[in-house]
This record gives sequence, C-alpha cells and structure tokens, in this order.
Amino acid sequence: IAGITQAPTSQILAAGRRMTLRCTQDMRHNAMYWYRQDLGLGLRLIHYSNTAGTTGKGEVPDGYSVSRANTDDFPLTLASAVPSQTSVYFCASRSGSGTDTQYFGPGTRLTVL
Amino acid sequence: SQKIEQNSEALNIQEGKTATLTCNYTNYSPAYLQWYRQDPGRGPVFLLLIRENEKEKRKERLKVTFDTTLKQSLFHITASQPADSATYLCALDEAGGSYIPTFGRGTSLIVHP
Repeated sequence: IAGITQAPTSQILAAGRRMTLRCTQDMRHNAMYWYRQDLGLGLRLIHYSNTAGTTGKGEVPDGYSVSRANTDDFPLTLASAVPSQTSVYFCASRSGSGTDTQYFGPGTRLTVL
Repeated sequence: SQKIEQNSEALNIQEGKTATLTCNYTNYSPAYLQWYRQDPGRGPVFLLLIRENEKEKRKERLKVTFDTTLKQSLFHITASQPADSATYLCALDEAGGSYIPTFGRGTSLIVHP
C-alpha cells in the first residue's frame, strides 16, 4: 500500500540519549517534512527537504538534524534528547509539483525523561 | 507578523446540523488554502484545496469558501454525523512556490447523536 511509514510508533528515551526517527515514503515524492505536534501549539515544522540531497530549517530546528540521501527516506535525529522534545512527530511528503497536498505518516510518540 | 487563527474552543453541534469552521489569516498572500482532518492519535488527512481565484469548492457533504478580501476561509460540513467528530486544520501555501504550508492549530468538532 502506497504511503508513508514511520518508526518507531512510540519510544521512551532517557535525556541525553541519541535517537533517530525513521520515515519512508513510496510515492516518489520530491518534498518531505518533519513536524512536531504539541497540545495547544499545533503542527510546527522542524526541517524539510524539497528534493533529495537538500534540506532546510523550519520553525523549530534546534536540537534536530535531518538528511536526505535518497528520495524515499528522511530520518530525523535528536543528537542529545531533552525533555522539551517530548512530543508527537509527524513525517509528511508532497510531490512538489504545483498545487498538491501533503500526505502524513501515522506519527511517532516520543517521551524524553 | 503572520498569523493563522482557528477557533481554539471545540465546536459542539447536533447530528444533522451544518458545522461551520473558520480559518482567518493575517499578513499572508496565499496561493491556495487546504483543509485537513485529524483523528486522535493519527496524522492529518487531506480533505479539500481551494485556490485564491476560487470562491467555493465542494466535495460530497463538504464545502469550503475562500474570501481573500476578508482573509478568511469557511469550512462547512452539512448533515453532520458523529463520525465527523475530529480536529480540522487549515493550511496556507503562499504564492512563490516554497511548498511549505503553514498550519493553523485546528478546531475540534464534536457532533452529538
């Protein structure tokens, strides 16, 4: 089934640990995005990539890094997790051609203790 | 500063009535606006897209209007059902083609049987 997958579904992490959230899409979309969603704050963009090999910073990039080695994968890394990074993380993709919509993954619920 | 506003208070309506949700924006020049539905624990799902030169768009029981003079979009669900209960997000894409939409915080709709 075409779409976006994220892993893990949920994770509890000790502060200071490194963590990579995985995101894979099989729609050959050019653009991919990482958002975090917190109660009362809505979806906030962390990083994005308009095409393989390029990345950009969103609204809240500090403490996070991304890479886009190929079209399908867009991992998000927390180098040293802090409790304020407790959130639900959504990956999304978009074909990147004209007026098109985003497709979202199921999300990863991350708790940093 | 740029702002997208959706009612933070939940909208409670009776089954069969029309639900109307509002999305207001300031300091944006949107090329188009999108509405998404989000169920608890899931990623947002695209519903409708309307362009700046369109006044109205319909899809089954859904209708979206877009008034660039008032800087407002209205999202209507006619003959609402309890299954329509969810959070509804609006998202703006600005002219210029950055492919990075900005999301409102969403409005929760609760349809009572």
